[in-house]
Amino acid sequence: GENVEQHPSTLSVQEGDSAVIKCTYSDSASNYFPWYKQELGKGPQLIIDIRSNVGEKKDQRIAVTLNKTAKHFSLHITETQPEDSAVYFCAASDLGSGNTGKLIFGQGTTLQVKP
Amino acid sequence: NAGVTQTPKFQVLKTGQSMTLQCAQDMNHNSMYWYRQDPGMGLRLIYYSASEGTTDKGEVPNGYNVSRLNKREFSLRLESAAPSQTSVYFCASSRTGFGYTFGSGTRLTVV
Repeated sequence: GENVEQHPSTLSVQEGDSAVIKCTYSDSASNYFPWYKQELGKGPQLIIDIRSNVGEKKDQRIAVTLNKTAKHFSLHITETQPEDSAVYFCAASDLGSGNTGKLIFGQGTTLQVKP
Repeated sequence: NAGVTQTPKFQVLKTGQSMTLQCAQDMNHNSMYWYRQDPGMGLRLIYYSASEGTTDKGEVPNGYNVSRLNKREFSLRLESAAPSQTSVYFCASSRTGFGYTFGSGTRLTVV
């Protein structure tokens, strides 16, 4: 089955700097890669996702890149703000005919943005 | 809009006790999922239901059972709780596998 590895486990940056979180996956059939943000005491929330037919996707200060050949994808947050402090999870899934869309998650990255 | 509602939010059980975690969604989603979250291990899939009437095992199903009561509700049952089941449990739903919506979680402690 799919296995997703996420690094680093913790990341501390100064406000205004960029943050990068990286994930690798094992199943070449995976074709959907979402990122979730989890604030303290809450459930994870989808912040951005990418499908395998796209190499990069941006939404304001966040972007995700995908390298299918190397089986890795990354989350980039620019101009970080204190409210970006949270736990971030990557995930992978094989969505297609006959597949149920179950997501396999990475271990999570705790991002701290220092004012 | 409520989204995904989980009850209870907190629970303490003694070893060997049983309980059912409830989950309901009001978004007309076909698929529903149960995950557990443990420090350093991310979210691990326990069981899922791709559509009403079907359920399948995930990565860590041992010690759990599920029921897809109808399209809205998906419950998780611990028949004989063990300390290793101390965790935060999340229910999620999705229409097609994209864009999961998660509940706010149930924090379970087994003593």
